[in-house]
Amino acid sequence: AQSVAQPEDQVKVAEGNPLTVKCTYSVSGNPYLFWYVQYPNRGLQFLLKYITGDNLVKGSYGFEAEFNKSQTSFHLKKPSALVSDSALYFCAVRDADYGQNFVFGPGTRLSVLP
Amino acid sequence: SAVISQKPSRDICQRGTSLTIQCQVDSQVTMMFWYRQQPGQSLTLIATANQGSEATYESGFVIDKFPISRPNLTFSTLTVSNMSPEDSSIYLCSVEQGPNQPQHFGDGTRLSIL
Repeated sequence: AQSVAQPEDQVKVAEGNPLTVKCTYSVSGNPYLFWYVQYPNRGLQFLLKYITGDNLVKGSYGFEAEFNKSQTSFHLKKPSALVSDSALYFCAVRDADYGQNFVFGPGTRLSVLP
Repeated sequence: SAVISQKPSRDICQRGTSLTIQCQVDSQVTMMFWYRQQPGQSLTLIATANQGSEATYESGFVIDKFPISRPNLTFSTLTVSNMSPEDSSIYLCSVEQGPNQPQHFGDGTRLSIL
């Protein structure tokens, strides 16, 4: 079965500092991995994905994520946080080999302090 | 990416009534999904809306409570039937345009039952 963990339900960083939002996953086959952001009263917005290839993937709004197969992790990073990055972040996984549905993590609330 | 319009954006309903939520996509898509998100929580898949056939429901969700229509490749509806306060939640429509593609979401319907 697929599963996603986001070990921190809340992350606080100061504006201008680097940020990391953690995600670990479990799948039987190869993973497709995704990050989404949700602002208040909005749906989920796609940030980036890992399908295959380079372990470091770059996405929207300056975000990037690193796929680490040995640690089954896909942490979201940004070199310099903005107050406007404050939102709810979701990691999601799909098992590429078994064609199952997306599974979303519990979410991490990021607060960037001015 | 596809643009998804979801209606209504929010509603307050009486116990025992039903509400139909609409999801319109600006392009033809194979896969459409309906999720439930309780405030501040993660997403739970209700069902996959299949064009031309019955929806595929996840464990814990039944057709009598959440009937779904998918008359064509750009439109789907979800009805929340015989509502109770426990149905107060955010309901999200999403679409997927390929097996290694991200899902894209509408802005959701925020439903409160009195």
